[in-house]
Amino acid sequence: SQKIEQNSEALNIQEGKTATLTCNYTNYSPAYLQWYRQDPGRGPVFLLLIRENEKEKRKERLKVTFDTTLKQSLFHITASQPADSATYLCALEVAGWGKLQFGAGTQVVVTP
Amino acid sequence: EAGVAQSPRYKIIEKRQSVAFWCNPISGHATLYWYQQILGQGPKLLIQFQNNGVVDDSQLPKDRFSAERLKGVDSTLKIQPAKLEDSAVYLCASSLDTGEREQYFGPGTRLTVT
Repeated sequence: SQKIEQNSEALNIQEGKTATLTCNYTNYSPAYLQWYRQDPGRGPVFLLLIRENEKEKRKERLKVTFDTTLKQSLFHITASQPADSATYLCALEVAGWGKLQFGAGTQVVVTP
Repeated sequence: EAGVAQSPRYKIIEKRQSVAFWCNPISGHATLYWYQQILGQGPKLLIQFQNNGVVDDSQLPKDRFSAERLKGVDSTLKIQPAKLEDSAVYLCASSLDTGEREQYFGPGTRLTVT
């Protein structure tokens, strides 16, 4: 099975700075991966999907990169705001029928 | 549009008791997922339905967990008998179809087994 590693320590960042999260995997490269946001007591919310043939994807202040050689995805939040404080999960496709395997997530705390 | 609905939101039971969770997906979504999320971990897929058929249940502990999706809409997940290690949040999600699709999650049911 796939092993997925996300920073286990919380990322504390000042408002206005760029937060960068990593998602590393160890086995086969997925056809795509997704990033989700999860707030306490709520279900994950989809943010972005990036395919294996795409280097970079952007959505508003979010940017995701996907490096199949390094087996790594980076997730950036530019001009971070306190409202961006949450846990961010990466999820890799592990089967062609849309089965996802999630990482444990990284908590981001943005202070004013 | 209405999101994924789940009930109950919280449940406390004793070990060896049984419990059932209910999920109503987004209208028109053919694919439904049940996940287990233990504190500090990411969601783990238990079972995936396409309409009323099972696509993947490889990680479902079938000796105690069961799930059904009658008529391809609502779904129930049952645990019988519960163990202490079943304490977790049970998330239901749905997507338009299988494959490369974003998943929409419900708020989850927090189960505590004492």
